[in-house]
This record gives sequence, C-alpha cells and structure tokens, in this order.
Amino acid sequence: AQSVTQLGSHVSVSEGALVLLRCNYSSSVPPYLFWYVQYPNQGLQLLLKYTSAATLVKGINGFEAEFKKSETSFHLTKPSAHMSDAAEYFCAVSDSKAAGNKLTFGGGTRVLVKP
Amino acid sequence: DVKVTQSSRYLVKRTGEKVFLECVQDMDHENMFWYRQDPGLGLRLIYFSYDVKMKEKGDIPEGYSVSREKKERFSLILESASTNQTSMYLCASSREAKGSMYPNQPQHFGDGTRLSIL
Repeated sequence: AQSVTQLGSHVSVSEGALVLLRCNYSSSVPPYLFWYVQYPNQGLQLLLKYTSAATLVKGINGFEAEFKKSETSFHLTKPSAHMSDAAEYFCAVSDSKAAGNKLTFGGGTRVLVKP
Repeated sequence: DVKVTQSSRYLVKRTGEKVFLECVQDMDHENMFWYRQDPGLGLRLIYFSYDVKMKEKGDIPEGYSVSREKKERFSLILESASTNQTSMYLCASSREAKGSMYPNQPQHFGDGTRLSIL
C-alpha cells in the first residue's frame, strides 16, 4: 500500500525566508507525485507534479520540488516566502495501476508567514 | 482550464434529512471522487467512480451513497444525515491514467461544500 508522510503539521516562516516542506513517500516504482495547496475555504489547487523527465520540478507561484529516489522524498521549496503563501499544503502519490488512479494524501502542512 | 463545480458552498440541514451534494466537471474526465475533510484527519476518500454507473467505496463509505448517471455529474447522498457528518466535502475529477501515455494524471478539485447538520 502506498503512503505519504509530511513532516510537521505546522510551519512558521518569516516573509522573505526560505519555505521548505517535507514529503516522504512509500510507493511502487515509478511514483507519481503531486503537491497541492489549499487556501482557506477553498478546494485544493495543483502546485506541481513529478514527471520522470526531470528530478527538479517547477510549479506555480515560485514553488519547486525535488525528487530524490534514494531518499524517497519529494520536498517542496520556495526561496522567498510571501504573505500570500499562507495556506495548507498537501503532498500526494497516485496509484495509476488500478482504474480510477486514486490519490493517497499526506496529512498536510499548514504554513504561517510572519511579517 | 478544468472546472469542477459543486452546487453549494455552504449548506445547513437537519438530522435525519436526506441530503444531496452535486458535482459537475466540464473536461470529460473518466474519474470522479468525493472526499471529506476534517481538522486533524486530513482528506478521506468516501467514494469514487471511474465510469458512468460505476462506483467504488473509498475509506469511509458508511452513511453515504453516490450516483453517477452521466459522465459529467457525480452526486453524494447522505441517506439520513447525522451530526457527525458535519464537514467540508470536496469533489474532484481526473483523466484516467491506467493504460495512458501520461500516467501522472492529477485530480482537479471543486471549491468544496461546507455542510452543517443540526
């Protein structure tokens, strides 16, 4: 069975500082990995998805994630936090072997940005 | 852009009522999903469907049923609403990945329905 672990349910960063959100997965090879963001009272929005073409994936809003097979990790980063980055972030892995390609989500990390 | 539309943003119902939550997608996606989201429990899959009239139970199907009569529409039904079903409900859709050249198909979410059962 697939699983996703996000280390830290809450992260606090200062505006302009690095944002680092950790995600480790357990999945059959190859893993299909995603990062989503959820703003208050909204649905989830796709930030980026891993493709086997490159280990460093760029997403929207200046975020990027690096796939490290040896560490089974797919951490999300942004060099300089903005107040608008305050949200909850979810890492997910897809099961594309069965019909329906269900996603398994991590528990989420809520980001607080301090001025 | 993919558009997933949930019929209500906020809904208040009474215990014992039959409640219908509707979801429509406009991208001809094969797969549709219903989740509930609760603080500290993350997203939990209730039901999903990979084709018209097909449905599969997710992790927490008890107390719920679903209907998919048309490809673009997926309904979640609370047969007899109870207070422990007060939650945020999220609908999503995706293109089928199995057998596809593009296996990493993301799910696209609606804005959610915040349901309160009194």
